[in-house]
Amino acid sequence: AQSVTQPDIHITVSEGASLELRCNYSYGATPYLFWYVQSPGQGLQLLLKYFSGDTLVQGIKGFEAEFKRSQSSFNLRKPSVHWSDAAEYFCAVSGANNLFFGTGTRLTVIP
Amino acid sequence: NAGVTQTPKFQVLKTGQSMTLQCAQDMNHEYMSWYRQDPGMGLRLIHYSVGAGITDQGEVPNGYNVSRSTTEDFPLRLLSAAPSQTSVYFCASRSGGSNTGELFFGEGSRLTVL
Repeated sequence: AQSVTQPDIHITVSEGASLELRCNYSYGATPYLFWYVQSPGQGLQLLLKYFSGDTLVQGIKGFEAEFKRSQSSFNLRKPSVHWSDAAEYFCAVSGANNLFFGTGTRLTVIP
Repeated sequence: NAGVTQTPKFQVLKTGQSMTLQCAQDMNHEYMSWYRQDPGMGLRLIHYSVGAGITDQGEVPNGYNVSRSTTEDFPLRLLSAAPSQTSVYFCASRSGGSNTGELFFGEGSRLTVL
């Protein structure tokens, strides 16, 4: 069965520092993977997705993610974090009619 | 273009009361779904629909009913609310049958059951 693990519940980084959010998935075939962001009191917005081709995918707001099949990982990165990036981030893997979400990582950005 | 609209945004119910959470999308999406979000558990699928007249259960369907009479609307009904249904509910839609498509989310409905 499909599942996603986000091992970090909460991460704090300084503004301008680099960021990496971890995501590990479990899926039998080639997975379709997504990262979503949720700002406080809002719905989720798609940052980027991967389903084939280049293993390094670019998304909105300067985010990127790298698919590593050997490690079953799809980590999200950003070279320089902005205060507006403070939010909750969800990794997800697609099933036939479901999107299986991880439990989320809350990002705090300190000045 | 409004996207996915959910109402109400906030609701307080007493145990045993019934209510309907409304969801409407104006993107002509075939696929619509309801998720609940609970602390430390991410989002879990309640019910989904792949088109008008077609609905199916997700991971946590108990205590909830849905129907899909039009492409635009996908209401979620709680027939007899329980405190375990206290949660934030999100409606989402995407185009077509492909599971590679982007899900578009509403802003959520926060439900408290006393």
